[in-house]
Amino acid sequence: QKEVEQNSGPLSVPEGAIASLNCTYSDRVSQSFFWYRQYSGKSPELIMSIYSNGDKEDGRFTAQLNKASQYVSLLIRDSQPSDSATYLCAVNGAGDNAGNMLTFGGGTRLMVKP
Amino acid sequence: DTEVTQTPKHLVMGMTNKKSLKCEQHMGHRAMYWYKQKAKKPPELMFVYSYEKLSINESVPSRFSPECPNSSLLNLHLHALQPEDSALYLCASSHLTGINQPQHFGDGTRLSIL
Repeated sequence: QKEVEQNSGPLSVPEGAIASLNCTYSDRVSQSFFWYRQYSGKSPELIMSIYSNGDKEDGRFTAQLNKASQYVSLLIRDSQPSDSATYLCAVNGAGDNAGNMLTFGGGTRLMVKP
Repeated sequence: DTEVTQTPKHLVMGMTNKKSLKCEQHMGHRAMYWYKQKAKKPPELMFVYSYEKLSINESVPSRFSPECPNSSLLNLHLHALQPEDSALYLCASSHLTGINQPQHFGDGTRLSIL
């Protein structure tokens, strides 16, 4: 049974601070890792993907992957109230013709306070 | 707006009604997915189509009937639904080649069963 774990939060940070969101996964053969942002009542929006150990930066977002520790994180620098949303960690195992199956974590609710 | 288009955005139906949800993408993706999402929960996979063929059915009740008429379209036919089926229904699509392909979600259909 593949599992992806996230702290449900809410994680509350002041505007301008760094928000750190964490995710652990159980399946060692997992190869692709995604962060989705979901505003209340809306659909998940892909914001970051990472496949190799280390850091990947895109604007204010940095994804970090440590396969040895089975840990992936998302850092949001200079947090804005508009970043307030639920962040879903999703993990993909070995892709095959059955589709690129994703296992989702339960999501972390982030609140950025002005 | 997303590149995966779902219609209708909202649907209210009685337990004896028959209705269909529609999903369309023109990104050349050959995998398409239906998810169900309840409030404060992650998306829950229902069906996966690969190359227009049903490849995964996650033990979904027969009152939900998927259909993939061609590589761009995905339907979900609904009949005799129960109040607990009220949820956000999400369609997603992805490439099949390679293992690092993210899923892209539509805006969803908010379904309410009276």
